[in-house]
Amino acid sequence: KQEVTQIPAALSVPEGENLVLNCSFTDSAIYNLQWFRQDPGKGLTSLLLIQSSQREQTSGRLNASLDKSSGRSTLYIAASQPGDSATYLCAAVSGSRLTFGEGTQLTVNP
Amino acid sequence: SQTIHQWPATLVQPVGSPLSLECTVEGTSNPNLYWYRQAAGRGLQLLFYSVGIGQISSEVPQNLSASRPQDRQFILSSKKLLLSDSGFYLCAWSVGGLAEPHQETQYFGPGTRLLVL
Repeated sequence: KQEVTQIPAALSVPEGENLVLNCSFTDSAIYNLQWFRQDPGKGLTSLLLIQSSQREQTSGRLNASLDKSSGRSTLYIAASQPGDSATYLCAAVSGSRLTFGEGTQLTVNP
Repeated sequence: SQTIHQWPATLVQPVGSPLSLECTVEGTSNPNLYWYRQAAGRGLQLLFYSVGIGQISSEVPQNLSASRPQDRQFILSSKKLLLSDSGFYLCAWSVGGLAEPHQETQYFGPGTRLLVL
């Protein structure tokens, strides 16, 4: 059974800082790994999807990497802004299902 | 462009009452559809998914059920709500027609917050 863990559970940084969110998964036989953003009381917004054959994906200030052999993915946010404050969830697709971590709650202080 | 709608946005129901949550998708055909529940401190849990009309797969045993009466309509129901059914219910869709669901990006609706008292 796939298990996904995200560390840290919460993170508070000053505006402008570069930061890394971590995601680990127990079953390395994944099809892809996805990163989502969730604002309080809202649904999820897809940020990046990394196929198992890829090592990273980039979108604007966001860069996600994938290391299947070690069961890890990281989401790098450059030059953080207060508008980046949200909960970030990673999810691994394996065995025909999507397993979510519990998320990292990010606060970027102006 | 594609949009996904959920209603109601918020619902307060007594224990033992029935439930019907609706999700509709616009701008795409034959999507894969999903129901998730997000409970405090428990992360996001997949409840049901559907790859076509009348085709429902259940991920966890519970007193909830799902139906897909039309291509772009997904309904979550219960005959008798339990306190443990409280949570944030999210509907999502992804591009259909693939051998395996879940493998494409999922697009989520705004959610329904359910409180069972």
